[in-house]
Amino acid sequence: DQQVKQNSPSLSVQEGRISILNCDYTNSMFDYFLWYKKYPAEGPTFLISISSIKDKNEDGRFTVFLNKSAKHLSLHIVPSQPGDSAVYFCAATPRDGNQFYFGTGTSLTVIP
Amino acid sequence: SQTIHQWPATLVQPVGSPLSLECTVEGTSNPNLYWYRQAAGRGLQLLFYSVGIGQISSEVPQNLSASRPQDRQFILSSKKLLLSDSGFYLCAWSVFHLGAINSPLHFGNGTRLTVT
Repeated sequence: DQQVKQNSPSLSVQEGRISILNCDYTNSMFDYFLWYKKYPAEGPTFLISISSIKDKNEDGRFTVFLNKSAKHLSLHIVPSQPGDSAVYFCAATPRDGNQFYFGTGTSLTVIP
Repeated sequence: SQTIHQWPATLVQPVGSPLSLECTVEGTSNPNLYWYRQAAGRGLQLLFYSVGIGQISSEVPQNLSASRPQDRQFILSSKKLLLSDSGFYLCAWSVFHLGAINSPLHFGNGTRLTVT
């Protein structure tokens, strides 16, 4: 059973515009949410995270939004750059838990 | 700083052969350790995690096993590989969770396993 879902397998955006990647989860016990970026044949790299006590966290061009009532989070990248082209995974972990559950990923292509 | 080493980078094994993938972490003590698999075109599936030496939790029953013989060493094994074991295997670590401390997962560079 997929507890973390990314329903868009791919997304194309023009350079300089905003990229919005979406993620939904089903487990109400999830307490901490993360976004990772992955290039082919490499391990995922941690990008940004958010705790359930917040609804927004910003780090440079990356902002993560959390809507707990909708069990939805999103990653905004502004402005998008060609180097942002990669697969993005969202992940979640429960309070006092040690498991990290990942979505299936969204492949972002930023067109120059 | 902390680093994670995972080897080999690529591996081609025949069906029925054994498997041993090794992962070590440097620069931290008592980490949580994880094995994930990414099958072709799919997401990251949690296989095993460990919160201490000799403590292994399995998320998905399958043809694989894991062991943690030392604090910063995590090994993924199989006695007989199946074709379905092909995939990209990732080792990861995080700070040991105590209470409400949140910390991210950090991944190695992965092992591409092809079972023929």
